[in-house]
Amino acid sequence: RKEVEQDPGPFNVPEGATVAFNCTYSNSASQSFFWYRQDCRKEPKLLMSVYSSGNEDGRFTAQLNRASQYISLLIRDSKLSDSATYLCVVMVRVGGYQKVTFGTGTKLQVIP
Amino acid sequence: NAGVTQTPKFRVLKTGQSMTLLCAQDMNHEYMYWYRQDPGMGLRLIHYSVGEGTTAKGEVPDGYNVSRLKKQNFLLGLESAAPSQTSVYFCASSTDRVGEQYFGPGTRLTVT
Repeated sequence: RKEVEQDPGPFNVPEGATVAFNCTYSNSASQSFFWYRQDCRKEPKLLMSVYSSGNEDGRFTAQLNRASQYISLLIRDSKLSDSATYLCVVMVRVGGYQKVTFGTGTKLQVIP
Repeated sequence: NAGVTQTPKFRVLKTGQSMTLLCAQDMNHEYMYWYRQDPGMGLRLIHYSVGEGTTAKGEVPDGYNVSRLKKQNFLLGLESAAPSQTSVYFCASSTDRVGEQYFGPGTRLTVT
């Protein structure tokens, strides 16, 4: 089983729609979680951290479900500019080292 | 602030040639990373550094070497390039909050 798994998509949604992605992780000892955004042929950029209590930033909401070992990203009122690939990131401490694993990403295409 | 910069942006090498990729950051970050990104594989960690003068192997270190002689610079070397090293290479840096990384714009390397 992969350490971090994401549905590659693409998710094609109309402007104004609400869309949600999930990301599952295999290591129950994982401690920290993040969502990154990567535009086509660009570098990844941190979108938001995912806290145990959830995290909301404008139209974006991130949730953590430790029991089922997944995190989610909800985007409300989708904009054309939201079109990108969304990478899930999971961090776990292995000995004295903090291991960060990136998912392969979920592609979102917002359609006019 | 420039953030994280990488040179060169593009490079074509012949099999067996060598080259060095340069990463520079002006955020005074202790941690620096080199990743490669291939279609369907996500970001894979090649080497990382937790401070000036230190380096460590990541997930896919074979065929690469690194050096961190100055805190702000992290160099990635390919001693004898192979076609399997055709990829997009990203450098990143962070504080000790290693899940929150800042990426450079990437280097697109083709080995023929």
